[in-house]
Amino acid sequence: EVQLLQSGPEVKEPGESLKISCQGSGYVFTSYWIGWVRQMPGKGLEWMGIIYPGDSDTTYNPSFQGQVTISADKSLDTAYLHWSSLKASDTAIYYCARRSWERDSSGYYYHLDIWGKGTTVTVSS
Amino acid sequence: SYELAQPPSLSVSPGQTASISCSGQTLGDKYVCWYQQRPGQSPVLIIFENNKRPSWSPARFSGSKSGNTATLTITGTQALDEADYYCQAWDTGTSVLFGGGTKLTVL
Repeated sequence: EVQLLQSGPEVKEPGESLKISCQGSGYVFTSYWIGWVRQMPGKGLEWMGIIYPGDSDTTYNPSFQGQVTISADKSLDTAYLHWSSLKASDTAIYYCARRSWERDSSGYYYHLDIWGKGTTVTVSS
Repeated sequence: SYELAQPPSLSVSPGQTASISCSGQTLGDKYVCWYQQRPGQSPVLIIFENNKRPSWSPARFSGSKSGNTATLTITGTQALDEADYYCQAWDTGTSVLFGGGTKLTVL
């Protein structure tokens, strides 16, 4: 079964660092991009960025550039989302999702076909 | 602010058809995906490339696009379809646009 297993809930204080994880199984992890999505309490989905575990090529949403670091360890089939100094406004559920694709003569077309169950991050003093 | 506009909410009676729109100035040349998010759960892909269904998506879900507006249609809406629905398009191969989401109530 293809799945993304995310790390458990976290409760942190402002200023602390944090790294959450997303481990893929049931497929070749290094062949698919992994994206990260934020969902603040009661709000919609926000795109944070994406990484290709095969070579760690990474693209960030400008709104999140410099606020988080996306990384991957292909030997562990795992992608990460890291904060060096958390803020209360980082309180949210964070999802990882696999970017899959279809192809025709015109090019490639993408979709997020597999999602993790989410990691709840609470930042409070 | 979101670049893809969805109605915030929609109510439908069981057995009726629900249609959720998604509009954006740049949608005309993009494929649209739709995701369902039930309360307390992670999003699930239900439509990709405007109108294709993954194997796990029930046949009552369909998608279409005309110009800069995409539409998700649920035919014969069931109580278990009560959820938030998000449209999504790729700005580039690695940059995603999400709609603001539509809360579907089945009553």
